[in-house]
Amino acid sequence: NAGVTQTPKFQVLKTGQSMTLQCAQDMNHNSMYWYRQDPGMGLRLIYYSASEGTTDKGEVPNGYNVSRLNKREFSLRLESAAPSQTSVYFCASSEGGSSTDTQYFGPGTRLTVL
Amino acid sequence: AQSVTQLDSQVPVFEEAPVELRCNYSSSVSVYLFWYVQYPNQGLQLLLKYLSGSTLVESINGFEAEFNKSQTSFHLRKPSVHISDTAEYFCAVNAGNNRKLIWGLGTSLAVNP
Repeated sequence: NAGVTQTPKFQVLKTGQSMTLQCAQDMNHNSMYWYRQDPGMGLRLIYYSASEGTTDKGEVPNGYNVSRLNKREFSLRLESAAPSQTSVYFCASSEGGSSTDTQYFGPGTRLTVL
Repeated sequence: AQSVTQLDSQVPVFEEAPVELRCNYSSSVSVYLFWYVQYPNQGLQLLLKYLSGSTLVESINGFEAEFNKSQTSFHLRKPSVHISDTAEYFCAVNAGNNRKLIWGLGTSLAVNP
């Protein structure tokens, strides 16, 4: 039982390049989330997926797209990376359906955009 | 709108000393409250949560938090900290029928020998 896995762990991009961050969970959870973490700003929700086939914008969606490929996988795409997107990105999942749910986090992807 | 304020961005403390990390929230509806911990270079993990019932909740590693409705607070305490407690601690609130958590900015706990 690996929990939530993310790839890659580290990435360096040049401005304008694109990339996709991958996330998968093996806990049969319905809900999945993408956050970014920046110093002094805590965690900010980018997108979330309440269930397979649905996605919704979070607090800071601009510059990102997501795909809920199936129940297990939720990817985050940067179409044209900008230095402001330098951050640590976390994927999380929860059983879903309740505001009391615990969120389970992956180890993060450290992205630098030059 | 709901919000969470963690009153201290950094808390330095010596090993075996007590510690309190403060969290206040604002909400006009009933809330569920969470503390998550992030160890260096790792993702976040749940430390404890208040859903209902007893206002004092405990974690398996000696932390406890008390829900105080009149003070709108959910402070985290530990009577004696260890070096291994060095981490970032996040308070979060979920209000109403909403899967999205509202996060505080985090408190960095540094336990020194």
